[in-house]
Amino acid sequence: DTEVTQTPKHLVMGMTNKKSLKCEQHMGHRAMYWYKQKAKKPPELMFVYSYEKLSINESVPSRFSPECPNSSLLNLHLHALQPEDSALYLCASSRSGGRTEAFFGQGTRLTVV
Amino acid sequence: SQQGEEDPQALSIQEGENATMNCSYKTSINNLQWYRQNSGRGLVHLILIRSNEREKHSGRLRVTLDTSKKSSSLLITASRAADTASYFCATDLNRDDKIIFGKGTRLHILP
Repeated sequence: DTEVTQTPKHLVMGMTNKKSLKCEQHMGHRAMYWYKQKAKKPPELMFVYSYEKLSINESVPSRFSPECPNSSLLNLHLHALQPEDSALYLCASSRSGGRTEAFFGQGTRLTVV
Repeated sequence: SQQGEEDPQALSIQEGENATMNCSYKTSINNLQWYRQNSGRGLVHLILIRSNEREKHSGRLRVTLDTSKKSSSLLITASRAADTASYFCATDLNRDDKIIFGKGTRLHILP
């Protein structure tokens, strides 16, 4: 199984809502990633977890809160987002971080209204 | 933070022709990867080349790496309509967990 599963595929939320994005992989990968991607732009790294611990936070605003409950799951909790946070949010996992290939989920298309 | 700069930003070629995309980066790396993305969905890994390698092949793909010039190229031979996508290079910035993407090349294969 080389699949990374993200839910939901689409999400529309108001600026006062709280929602969560979920990501799951069963490849035993130690590194899991969240990226944000705007239209016609490259994926922008947000967070990296290594062995279930946050190893990299790319100065992401606190309205984005990551969580890694176990080695297979990665969540991104969203609260008080702004319309400019509307984007495609991508999850990825990698066996050995940046030294090996990353497997990506299909993403969650988030719209903040 | 962005590391790689691909050029060209956009490329249109006839089906059957070869497509070449270039990537330049700024800092030392352990490896460089190329990914493809169709229609703004998930990225698919194409090939990884380590800093001590100069060339790598996978099917119709050929990747070169020149660490002295901090640049890489991706060649797709005998292009097909299904190759229409955005292509990104990605580097690790010599840090184990980072995978940082360049700006990408949008490739369009004309029938």
